[in-house]
Amino acid sequence: AQRVTQPEKLLSVFKGAPVELKCNYSYSGSPELFWYVQYSRQRLQLLLRHISRESIKGFTADLNKGETSFHLKKPFAQEEDSAMYYCALRTGGTSYGKLTFGQGTILTVHP
Amino acid sequence: GAVVSQHPSRVICKSGTSVKIECRSLDFQATTMFWYRQFPKKSLMLMATSNEGSKATYEQGVEKDKFLINHASLTLSTLTVTSAHPEDSSFYICSAMRVADTQYFGPGTRLTVL
Repeated sequence: AQRVTQPEKLLSVFKGAPVELKCNYSYSGSPELFWYVQYSRQRLQLLLRHISRESIKGFTADLNKGETSFHLKKPFAQEEDSAMYYCALRTGGTSYGKLTFGQGTILTVHP
Repeated sequence: GAVVSQHPSRVICKSGTSVKIECRSLDFQATTMFWYRQFPKKSLMLMATSNEGSKATYEQGVEKDKFLINHASLTLSTLTVTSAHPEDSSFYICSAMRVADTQYFGPGTRLTVL
């Protein structure tokens, strides 16, 4: 069975500091990884997906199949980045579309 | 585009009653809809997956007779919590997905069972 692990429940940084939110996964097939963000009192929204290889709001994430990781990084954190971040794995086959979420990391960026 | 709505946003009911939550994809046709439960400051727990016109697929440990899911059209899915009890109090979130796309999430429904 697939699994997503976000080892840090809470992460605090100061504005302008680099930030890295860790995500590790276990899955026997070819994974599709996502990062979702949930700002205070807002719905869950897609931040980025590994197949797009894009940078959204300054965040990037690289899929490392050797280390089974998909860490989220930003070189200079902003206060508005404070939110709950979820790493998610999508599997194929009969479960196509089903997402398995990590436990989430609450990021707080202090002024 | 790709907006998903839920109704109601908040509901309070008495123990033993049933509550229906609607999930709508407003500007796209959703081949698949998902229902999640989220506990405070915890992750989302997938309850079931539903495809339009077919029976929902429930995750292990989720009572299908308690959480009735209907996906009657490509834009509407409903979750009915039957004979609700206080332990059913939670935040219920739906998401909708087009073919070969990602999931788009609704704003959630806060259910409180007294």
